[in-house]
Amino acid sequence: TQLLEQSPQFLSIQEGENLTVYCNSSSVFSSLQWYRQEPGEGPVLLVTVVTGGEVKKLKRLTFQFGDARKDSSLHITAAQPGDTGLYLCAGAGMPSNQFYFGTGTSLTVIP
Amino acid sequence: NAGVTQTPKFQVLKTGQSMTLQCAQDMNHEYMSWYRQDPGMGLRLIHYSVGAGITDQGEVPNGYNVSRSTTEDFPLRLLSAAPSQTSVYFCASSYMGHSYEQYFGPGTRLTVT
Repeated sequence: TQLLEQSPQFLSIQEGENLTVYCNSSSVFSSLQWYRQEPGEGPVLLVTVVTGGEVKKLKRLTFQFGDARKDSSLHITAAQPGDTGLYLCAGAGMPSNQFYFGTGTSLTVIP
Repeated sequence: NAGVTQTPKFQVLKTGQSMTLQCAQDMNHEYMSWYRQDPGMGLRLIHYSVGAGITDQGEVPNGYNVSRSTTEDFPLRLLSAAPSQTSVYFCASSYMGHSYEQYFGPGTRLTVT
């Protein structure tokens, strides 16, 4: 059972463009995390959002948690080649002992 | 701190063989977990532990056993490997609490022939 759906699955853009990745579910999560994974390595945490409607910014990355805590988005402004990687969202279930990962979005930023 | 370490990095097994994937963390995290990652499937939780002596099943536990005798170590055992267990396995750890910010190991790539 895949509780979290990410879109798009693949994204290839030119350096300097903006993009948004979506993470959607019909389930409510106590918190939601975004990770970036590079080939041959484990995922690395980017951000955790815990409050419905919360917005967090990390340099050129903006993360938003939906009001109902069922969905999230990641917006990247002026993408750079260093942003290339697999982006994964993960929701903490209730009780928050189990994590459910999204299907992933593979981003390629072309110089 | 070494963070989360996993061994081996790569492993090839024949169907029916058994093996143990090792995972250790030096951050005194209570929560540890095992995931498998398959193309197009994201990461799926196999087993997790909230402390020494306590383990529970995740989303895809069949064919895998775990134990947690110490805070630091959380090995994953495959009793009789099957080709369907070909995957990349990740171990992760975190403090218990509201955010559960997980730190992942580098992964073990397992092939079962």
